[in-house]
Amino acid sequence: GAVVSQHPSWVICKSGTSVKIECRSLDFQATTMFWYRQFPKQSLMLMATSNEGSKATYEQGVEKDKFLINHASLTLSTLTVTSAHPEDSSFYICSARAVTSSGANVLTFGAGSRLTVL
Amino acid sequence: GESVGLHLPTLSVQEGDNSIINCAYSNSASDYFIWYKQESGKGPQFIIDIRSNMDKRQGQRVTVLLNKTVKHLSLQIAATQPGDSAVYFCAEKTSGTYKYIFGTGTRLKVLA
Repeated sequence: GAVVSQHPSWVICKSGTSVKIECRSLDFQATTMFWYRQFPKQSLMLMATSNEGSKATYEQGVEKDKFLINHASLTLSTLTVTSAHPEDSSFYICSARAVTSSGANVLTFGAGSRLTVL
Repeated sequence: GESVGLHLPTLSVQEGDNSIINCAYSNSASDYFIWYKQESGKGPQFIIDIRSNMDKRQGQRVTVLLNKTVKHLSLQIAATQPGDSAVYFCAEKTSGTYKYIFGTGTRLKVLA
């Protein structure tokens, strides 16, 4: 089945530094990947749609200069949290669209990356 | 739109009983729905999906029901087991896009 790998699974950084999170589709190509953010005991909030070879599409209220997304290949998208602050601490989850044998488009998720900004 | 909630509703079910988790979706143009299970500290896992041209779909121990008239989705889990304890989210996809929007989620607690 389709597998999405996310790295790192957790990261602690100092305020003001930048952190990069990688999302890879291991056994399939993903022209589109999605980045979600999840606060404790809350639902997943879509941040942006990452498009291979073109600019990401950001959801309303998400700062594109704060959350830089790069999708340079069909198997890799990266999210960089720039000049991180404590309020950026969250669980970031990526996903990729995979087509099943029945032709359905299923969103497959990575295991998530927990960011803690001190 | 986004779904944000301060507290997840909780459903407590006795082991062996059936569970029904409900979800109200927002967009009448949504054409595809997925139920996900999320365990603590992990990413969501696919459980079952349903297209908008169907009203029921069954999997192994799970059934999804779709009522487009009232924009309601439910997940039924038969013979609930301790391993079913998790947070369950419904996700809807708008026709013509590949964007998925998640519902607020329900925490399922299985009592021994």
